[in-house]
Amino acid sequence: KAGVTQTPRYLIKTRGQQVTLSCSPISGHRSVSWYQQTPGQGLQFLFEYFSETQRNKGNFPGRFSGRQFSNSRSEMNVSTLELGDSALYLCASSLGGVQVNQFFGPGTRLTVL
Amino acid sequence: AQSVSQHNHHVILSEAASLELGCNYSYGGTVNLFWYVQYPGQHLQLLLKYFSGDPLVKGIKGFEAEFIKSKFSFNLRKPSVQWSDTAEYFCAVLNSGGYQKVTFGIGTKLQVIP
Repeated sequence: KAGVTQTPRYLIKTRGQQVTLSCSPISGHRSVSWYQQTPGQGLQFLFEYFSETQRNKGNFPGRFSGRQFSNSRSEMNVSTLELGDSALYLCASSLGGVQVNQFFGPGTRLTVL
Repeated sequence: AQSVSQHNHHVILSEAASLELGCNYSYGGTVNLFWYVQYPGQHLQLLLKYFSGDPLVKGIKGFEAEFIKSKFSFNLRKPSVQWSDTAEYFCAVLNSGGYQKVTFGIGTKLQVIP
C-alpha cells in the first residue's frame, strides 16, 4: 500500500506570494491532518479534514486554509506569505475520524525569501 | 490551553546505556498519549500509544512508556539503546473532548554513540 505523498517536496517563494501544498493520503484513509514543523516550535497542528469537512483547527491565522476533496486528497493554502512561514509542512492521514494511528508523509519544505 | 513539555532537547548516550525521555502534559481531561520517532531522512512514525488500560505500554524496537496520571507524565524508556536508535522523538497528546486536537512536544534529539 502506498504511503502518504506530498507535493511538491521543496518550494521557494517570496514574501507576499501565496502557495498551495498537496497531500494524498493512504488509500482508504478519510482523515487528513496538517502540521507545521519548525526547529523552535516543533510540530504545530494546523487543521484536520475528514470527509471533506474541517473537523479541527489549530491556532493559526486565517492566511492558512485547507480543503479536502471527495477522494480524500487534501490541499493547504497559505496566502500573503511571511518569512516566518518558512517551515516543513507535514501531512498525516488516518483511517478513523480521530487523530490516532496517523501516518505521516515526507513533508514539503517551504522557504520564504 | 493544552501543552506538552519535553525537558531534554538533546540527549547523547553510549550504546547499551539506558534511556528515559521525559514528557509532561497539561490537560485536565481524558487524554490519549503517543510517542513518535523520526529517524534521519525518514518520515515521522508512531512508536507507541496509550489509550486506556495498563499504563505501561510497549512499542516497537523495545521501547516502552509509562502513563502516570497523577504526574501528567508519559516518559519513554528503553533499557539498552543501540546506535540505530539515533533519531528525534516526539511526545504527543490527543485530548478526548469534543474538539479534538493533537499537541506535540518540541522533540528530543537522541544521539547514540557506538
